Amino acid sequence: GAVVSQHPSWVICKSGTSVKIECRSLDFQATTMFWYRQFPKQSLMLMATSNEGSKATYEQGVEKDKFLINHASLTLSTLTVTSAHPEDSSFYICSAGSPDQPQHFGDGTRLSIL
Amino acid sequence: GENVEQHPSTLSVQEGDSAVIKCTYSDSASNYFPWYKQELGKRPQLIIDIRSNVGEKKDQRIAVTLNKTAKHFSLHITETQPEDSAVYFCAASDMNTGFQKLVFGTGTRLLVSP
Repeated sequence: GAVVSQHPSWVICKSGTSVKIECRSLDFQATTMFWYRQFPKQSLMLMATSNEGSKATYEQGVEKDKFLINHASLTLSTLTVTSAHPEDSSFYICSAGSPDQPQHFGDGTRLSIL
Repeated sequence: GENVEQHPSTLSVQEGDSAVIKCTYSDSASNYFPWYKQELGKRPQLIIDIRSNVGEKKDQRIAVTLNKTAKHFSLHITETQPEDSAVYFCAASDMNTGFQKLVFGTGTRLLVSP
């Protein structure tokens, strides 16, 4: 099946730090990438939809200035959590899809803000 | 927008029994329904999916049924094994938008006891 690589898998940092997470589709060109956040024992909540070369579409309630998304190529999207605070601690997961591929998820990034 | 409800939230079965998880969706435009399995701390993995032009799909011990009229779809796992224990998520999407935006159910924690 399709492979989506997400890096890093675990981040621990101080409050106020900005953190960048990378999502790569390794064996297909992803026209669309998605960023989700998952709190413990909860479902995946879509944060934003990212199309290559265009601005991301954010879900209601997600601050676009805090969660910066860049989708510079068909194989790479990045999520930057700016000035992270303890309440931003969560499991962040990306996924990649195309008209010919169902969504495949990355391994996720566990973000812990101290 | 689309709303997906999933039941039950937890399901305990004995090894060898069958397990059924049910989902309902609200948007009649939805035409793609994947099911994901997520083990603790890991990525959601696509286990089966169905499109609205099909009423049933089977893959070994896993089957999915879809009732478009009632806007119901269900996951059936037969001959359950302890390694089936995980959280299962249903999702719905309108593929005609071209973006594959998935709306997830709340998840079902399946526990298969030996």
